[in-house]
Amino acid sequence: QQPVQSPQAVILREGEDAVINCSSSKALYSVHWYRQKHGEAPVFLMILLKGGEQKGHDKISASFNEKKQQSSLYLTASQLSYSGTYFCGTEQKRRDNYGQNFVFGPGTRLSVLP
Amino acid sequence: DVKVTQSSRYLVKRTGEKVFLECVQDMDHENMFWYRQDPGLGLRLIYFSYDVKMKEKGDIPEGYSVSREKKERFSLILESASTNQTSMYLCASREPGQGWPTQYFGPGTRLTVL
Repeated sequence: QQPVQSPQAVILREGEDAVINCSSSKALYSVHWYRQKHGEAPVFLMILLKGGEQKGHDKISASFNEKKQQSSLYLTASQLSYSGTYFCGTEQKRRDNYGQNFVFGPGTRLSVLP
Repeated sequence: DVKVTQSSRYLVKRTGEKVFLECVQDMDHENMFWYRQDPGLGLRLIYFSYDVKMKEKGDIPEGYSVSREKKERFSLILESASTNQTSMYLCASREPGQGWPTQYFGPGTRLTVL
């Protein structure tokens, strides 16, 4: 089941903050965040495991509310280099109940303007 | 650093042609994946492979097959290309492990089927 991401797109000025949300109707084991710059491969940002933890590096952080099956990515004081498409990836139980699978969200396009 | 390479960045083929997309990783990863990326749909899993000669269908395997004869190489095959297979194709690899370890992506192959 593909998670839902919101917003679909956001435009910021340098220095502004943004929040990208990812939600699923299925129970999640973990949430991963990736960023893909135009014409490049997606790059792993961070993983959030069950337990409601929050993680971050530099001015990008994320939280995971396992009860609500939601994760949020926080970008603080955005820089031009933050522009790209952000994908959440969710680890879910497989339909056949054998192990887990991994489903990406549709992505959120972030544009940071000078 | 993990390096995942894909044989072509851009490919143009005719309807009905057999198409091979090649992916090579240099980190001795056991698990490899093929995704298709379309605007508004994110990354959707076509096939994955846990080890040499092992393969498993992902969410959208119809019209595709795969081959994994060597650990470092994972090929995606379009038996008879159709226009609805025009897309960006991304290969990824990862180590096996608990949960869903980080995936490392190649730069992608943009395939156009005329």
